[in-house]
Amino acid sequence: QVTLKESGPVLVKPTETLTLTCTVSGFSLSHPRMGVSWIRQPPGKALEWLAHIFSNDEKSYSTSLKTRLTISKDTSKSQVVLTMTNMDPVDTATYYCARILVTGAGRHFDYWGQGTLVTVSS
Amino acid sequence: SYELTQPPSVSVSPGQTASITCSGDKLGDKYVCWYQQKPGQSPVVVIYQDNKRPSGIPERFSGFNSGDTATLIISGTQAMDEADYYCQAWDISTAPFGGGTKLTVL
Repeated sequence: QVTLKESGPVLVKPTETLTLTCTVSGFSLSHPRMGVSWIRQPPGKALEWLAHIFSNDEKSYSTSLKTRLTISKDTSKSQVVLTMTNMDPVDTATYYCARILVTGAGRHFDYWGQGTLVTVSS
Repeated sequence: SYELTQPPSVSVSPGQTASITCSGDKLGDKYVCWYQQKPGQSPVVVIYQDNKRPSGIPERFSGFNSGDTATLIISGTQAMDEADYYCQAWDISTAPFGGGTKLTVL
């Protein structure tokens, strides 16, 4: 049974750094056809892809946010960590982690966590 | 960065066919996925690799992608299909989403 669970602070202050952890089970972060992405959704707004990481440590970041984001993984702990620096109230959102499944030449998000709401406020 | 454009809303009568479009430059050269999100829930993939349905997704969901437009088609739309739908594509190594379409079944 595949599960992903996000954890981290519910409230951060402007200019602080956010650290979120995605703990996965039911699959290994070393699987060659799988990866993990972080995706966020401000209240009432659209999904926004942030970053991903694959088993070979291939990483990619949103063009608009790449200077603020760092993604990493600890395969032994089955965890993927996202840090976002210099938080602002516009970063208030539900943050999801999702598994990427590679199928042939394609990829898709086949399992999602429940999401964690992060509010940025002083 | 690569952009995907969706209509904000689509309405359909129960039992009819709903079509939701997603447009992007040479989108037909990329694989498109579609995600359904109901209020308070995490998204669920309904179509991947343009036209493939994951197990458990009803046959009434189908997809097509050509040129600059991908389309999600829901045949015989049911009340339970009312939700937000997002297209998503992989562009080089990024994975942008469209702005989402609210499907209303009335």
